Amino acid sequence: QQQVKQSPQSLIVQKGGISIINCAYENTAFDYFPWYQQFPGKGPALLIAIRPDVSEKKEGRFTISFNKSAKQFSLHIMDSQPGDSATYFCAAHLTGTASKLTFGTGTRLQVTL
Amino acid sequence: DAGVIQSPRHEVTEMGQEVTLRCKPISGHDYLFWYRQTMMRGLELLIYFNNNVPIDDSGMPEDRFSAKMPNASFSTLKIQPSEPRDSAVYFCASSLDRAGEQYFGPGTRLTVT
Repeated sequence: QQQVKQSPQSLIVQKGGISIINCAYENTAFDYFPWYQQFPGKGPALLIAIRPDVSEKKEGRFTISFNKSAKQFSLHIMDSQPGDSATYFCAAHLTGTASKLTFGTGTRLQVTL
Repeated sequence: DAGVIQSPRHEVTEMGQEVTLRCKPISGHDYLFWYRQTMMRGLELLIYFNNNVPIDDSGMPEDRFSAKMPNASFSTLKIQPSEPRDSAVYFCASSLDRAGEQYFGPGTRLTVT
């Protein structure tokens, strides 16, 4: 019940296109949903995050859409660029577990020219 | 701030040897996390500390793994004896508060032959 299911496993998008990565969860006690971006040879870095009291959060070309009733959230990358090529992880924080995060399995995004 | 510092960046060792990975969290952060990343299992939380005290070590795979945090600026993850299946990238991360952003280090790539 503490799992976060992420799809797709890999994604190829043309430059200028929209990249969409989806995550789903079961536990309604999750209260914070961050997305992390990881480049090869580097550690994951926080990209954008949302709390369940809002349905959408936008930061530049990156948007999180959150559907509380469906227990799903997704990352949209508008005008995808080759520099966005990386692995993206969704995550969820469980209420009462201090700062512990449960991570999805990751999506490897490749943006082609 | 220099960010989370990990050493060594790469470690190659023979099966049966003791391995010690080191981490210096960001100054002022009171949560520290150890993760393991592999292609098969993704990003797994091994253990985390709050104010130098281990809070949850349920992710530690077996007794061969141990972690300590003797003070607020240093933590170690030790594997004794090491096995080839321990080969992975080990990340340390730190966080300022509950459900806060986790800052990851660059990781230690461990290869056990």
